[in-house]
Order: sequence, then structure tokens, then C-alpha cells
Amino acid sequence: NAGVTQTPKFQVLKTGQSMTLQCAQDMNHEYMSWYRQDPGMGLRLIHYSVGAGITDQGEVPNGYNVSRSTTEDFPLRLLSAAPSQTSVYFCASSYSLAGGNTIYFGEGSWLTVV
Amino acid sequence: QQQVKQSPQSLIVQKGGISIINCAYENTAFDYFPWYQQFPGKGPALLIAIRPDVSEKKEGRFTISFNKSAKQFSLHIMDSQPGDSATYFCAATAYNNNDMRFGAGTRLTVKP
Repeated sequence: NAGVTQTPKFQVLKTGQSMTLQCAQDMNHEYMSWYRQDPGMGLRLIHYSVGAGITDQGEVPNGYNVSRSTTEDFPLRLLSAAPSQTSVYFCASSYSLAGGNTIYFGEGSWLTVV
Repeated sequence: QQQVKQSPQSLIVQKGGISIINCAYENTAFDYFPWYQQFPGKGPALLIAIRPDVSEKKEGRFTISFNKSAKQFSLHIMDSQPGDSATYFCAATAYNNNDMRFGAGTRLTVKP
């Protein structure tokens, strides 16, 4: 049972480069989201989606784009990487947006911007 | 500003001891309070959760205590084991999952 799968696991980027973090879930979940985890900050929501073709901004959206063309996939794009985007990124999904639905996280993508 | 404040930042407990992690929140609209457990190199996983209509919820060795008037909730791990060594996050949400606010995390080490 795969759950939420993220790739790549590790990535080093140079300032100004762009890249896409891939995320796929096989649980037929409506709700998908991207978080970043920084020391002392917990997890902060970047973008989320409540279904194919529907996305919206979270708490820290600047510098990131998302799209949702299928139920399964929710890629996160860094447009022009900056050192401040060095972080661990988690993709997550849940059955629905409603609070109380368990959020399932992927294993994370470690990104370093030099 | 952090809407959910978690303490301590790190905690060392002997095997068999009780681990206690505390969280405080400000938004009285919060009505769902989960705890997540994260092992190194892995994503967070839901451990236990509570709603404010009860003051305590127990699942095995893990108990959430909830104090609505004080706007505080805590995780108690009884008979702590080395396998419990992980980072624990408290969280809270008012209405839906995109409102979820996480605490900063507590790194728990259980010494054998």
C-alpha cells in the first residue's frame, strides 16, 4: 500500500533554478496539500487542492506554484529557488477538506538551495 | 505568530517513565486537536486526536488531556519505550484541514 509518494527524496538546487516536487496518492483522496517543515516552526501550509482543477493558497505560498490535473497527482513547482526555500517539504492528502479527517503525509523531500 | 505553542522543545525520559508534552492555543474556534508522531526521515503520522467535548482520551499508552477553559492540551506517554523516541507535533483546526495549525514540535528521547 503506497499511500502518499513523493519524489525526489533529496535535491540540491542553485539559486534561481526551478524544479518540481512530485506527489502522488493512491487513496482516491479529494484533498491534497503541500507543507514545509522548518526547525522551530512546525509544519506550514503552502498550497492545497480540494479536487482536480481546484487549488488555493495556504499560509506561505510565495515562490511556489501548484496544479491538480488529476485526483492522484499534485506537483509543487519552485519557480526561482532562493536559499530561504531550503526546507523539508511534505505532501499530504485526506479524504476531504473537513476538519477531523486524518491527514496522511508522504515521507518528505529534503531541498537545499545554495 | 504561532497559534499553537508547544513545550518543551526537547525531552529526555528514562525507559518506563512518563513523557508529558504540553500545548496551548489562542483561537477559541479550534475544535479538533490531533497529535502527530514523526520518526527521523519519515513524514508525520496521526497518533491520537481529541475534540473539546471530552476532557481526556486514551489509546493504549497514549493519553490526551484537554482543558478547554485554560486553552491547553497535553500528551502523556505512559511506560515510555525507546521505540517512542520521535518528534511529536500537536495541532489544532477550527473548521477544515487547510486551517490546521501545528506546534513547533518536541523531540522525545527515551533512554534504555
